[in-house]
Amino acid sequence: DAKTTQPPSMDCAEGRAANLPCNHSTISGNEYVYWYRQIHSQGPQYIIHGLKNNETNEMASLIITEDRKSSTLILPHATLRDTAVYYCTSGYSTLTFGKGTMLLVSP
Amino acid sequence: DAGVIQSPRHEVTEMGQEVTLRCKPISGHNSLFWYRQTMMRGLELLIYFNNNVPIDDSGMPEDRFSAKMPNASFSTLKIQPSEPRDSAVYFCASSGDRYYEQYFGPGTRLTVT
Repeated sequence: DAKTTQPPSMDCAEGRAANLPCNHSTISGNEYVYWYRQIHSQGPQYIIHGLKNNETNEMASLIITEDRKSSTLILPHATLRDTAVYYCTSGYSTLTFGKGTMLLVSP
Repeated sequence: DAGVIQSPRHEVTEMGQEVTLRCKPISGHNSLFWYRQTMMRGLELLIYFNNNVPIDDSGMPEDRFSAKMPNASFSTLKIQPSEPRDSAVYFCASSGDRYYEQYFGPGTRLTVT
């Protein structure tokens, strides 16, 4: 079973920031959190990962709470092409994907 | 880089027939993963290989499923005999030293009638 929980869906207006939450209160202290997204009819795509510190790359930012029980993926300026299912996951040698959050970005 | 290549992209077969799905990982990657995705169960890991050796096949549903990786550039997932409940999208993914950064193929949509 997935160790993470996410809201099933979220909406965001184009150009605004999309903040996607994830609860992972049961992951181990040395277990990373990984984010993927899956655009319709495509395979999942890796976005970003983190352990304790906040992380940023060209796709997104990841904010992890100090107690590591939750994190938030931030898409600073969402576009229509960001409409996808976003998965928050964890694992050591393999990853377990839950149901994810369906993010709908609207004009 | 062509990315992960899967074939066929679509497969329609009748119950009881043998189905073979194929995957070519990204050159240089040493881990390969087979996933199955359905609306009901989401994305499930079936099996993964490291350096061509099966490491964890606990996700393989039953004996009708088998996977092989005869070399670093090719893997197959076989279902024999196929059943309607095997209908799903099957993804192959590969990764290098950073196992968590998996690159997924386009998937094979399997329909068993």
